[in-house]
Amino acid sequence: DAGVIQSPRHEVTEMGQEVTLRCKPISGHNSLFWYRQTMMRGLELLIYFNNNVPIDDSGMPEDRFSAKMPNASFSTLKIQPSEPRDSAVYFCASSLAGGPVNTQYFGPGTRLTVL
Amino acid sequence: EDQVTQSPEALRLQEGESSSLNCSYTVSGLRGLFWYRQDPGKGPEFLFTLYSAGEEKEKERLKATLTKKESFLHITAPKPEDSATYLCAVQVVTGGGNKLTFGTGTQLKVEL
Repeated sequence: DAGVIQSPRHEVTEMGQEVTLRCKPISGHNSLFWYRQTMMRGLELLIYFNNNVPIDDSGMPEDRFSAKMPNASFSTLKIQPSEPRDSAVYFCASSLAGGPVNTQYFGPGTRLTVL
Repeated sequence: EDQVTQSPEALRLQEGESSSLNCSYTVSGLRGLFWYRQDPGKGPEFLFTLYSAGEEKEKERLKATLTKKESFLHITAPKPEDSATYLCAVQVVTGGGNKLTFGTGTQLKVEL
């Protein structure tokens, strides 16, 4: 079975440009999570969705960040305009919500470099 | 605020030298504690979930245990392929929904 799929795997852009990261969750999963990982701050949750609805976006750093989930099999994280401090690895994870504990499965990540 | 602290930050072992990694947590109510392994350039890979104090789970050379304040990941007779960063995370009962709060990880290096 395919795991969580993310694209692109690497993105290099210049400050001020728009960046769009994409995620396809595991088929049948109904929760989707976006994380950011840096050396300084570790793995931080940005936003998560249940059944395509945003539930908690308290981790989104500022208005330059936005996320959408138009259907159960696709989500995007957009940064506009991008800044050098946004450079990090961005992970998408999915899980099957509804049980007592929900195990999250991670994608391979997108390494973003903003020059 | 939910907090997860992992120690040590880094650990270097010789092949066959057993040791333990620690994950201390402070939460309002624990729903589950998760251990993940992360290799360089890859996403975290799920290892274990522990639900209640006293629970233990094993997988190959790894054994995870849980108390009311902390979890340990015991590595018995490690091999170089066990080298990775090990992350622990908590999911809480109320107010947290499905989200995980992660520690900053322990970077393990096993040498021949």
